[in-house]
Amino acid sequence: AQKVTQAQTEISVVEKEDVTLDCVYETRDTTYYLFWYKQPPSGELVFLIRRNSFDEQNEISGRYSWNFQKSTSSFNFTITASQVVDSAVYFCALLNNAGNMLTFGGGTRLMVKP
Amino acid sequence: DGGITQSPKYLFRKEGQNVTLSCEQNLNHDAMYWYRQDPGQGLRLIYYSQIVNDFQKGDIAEGYSVSREKKESFPLTVTSAQKNPTAFYLCASSTPSSGGGAGELFFGEGSRLTVL
Repeated sequence: AQKVTQAQTEISVVEKEDVTLDCVYETRDTTYYLFWYKQPPSGELVFLIRRNSFDEQNEISGRYSWNFQKSTSSFNFTITASQVVDSAVYFCALLNNAGNMLTFGGGTRLMVKP
Repeated sequence: DGGITQSPKYLFRKEGQNVTLSCEQNLNHDAMYWYRQDPGQGLRLIYYSQIVNDFQKGDIAEGYSVSREKKESFPLTVTSAQKNPTAFYLCASSTPSSGGGAGELFFGEGSRLTVL
């Protein structure tokens, strides 16, 4: 069985602060894929990033960056200089090697106050 | 525009009634999924289908049924056997996996079901 844990259920920051959302996962697969999704108040999940388990390079996309550390089974997400529009629920997810089981963490609600 | 359409967006049901949630996609994706989201919890997989006329149970399939008669459509029926059906339901589809890659999931806007 695979599992994704997002220990932070809710985070509140003031605009322009940096914030890191934690994600820890468990899997027996040697090949797997990790994802981050954003769920704004409208409800639809928006894809942010996919990471292959063999690629441990960190990635930066604008104000977003991801730190994948296989040794600690973590895939943390950092938003730099947060903005009010970043307020949403963020989900980390793990896809198994067979590609048929996507397991989500419980989500972290991020509130960015002006 | 390509995407996933779920309807209705809001639905109220009396106890003991079955209700069907619609999910249509025009992305030409083979795989489709239904997830349930409860407040403060992550998404849990109800059913998934990787090809027309075939579907598999997810983690919480009891009290639900699906069909996949067409590639574009994957309706979910919440039956009276589902003990706690009030939740937010999300439908998704994915690109095929190839060459060891993994398909990205595309989600609809969800259907919020409330049992009165």
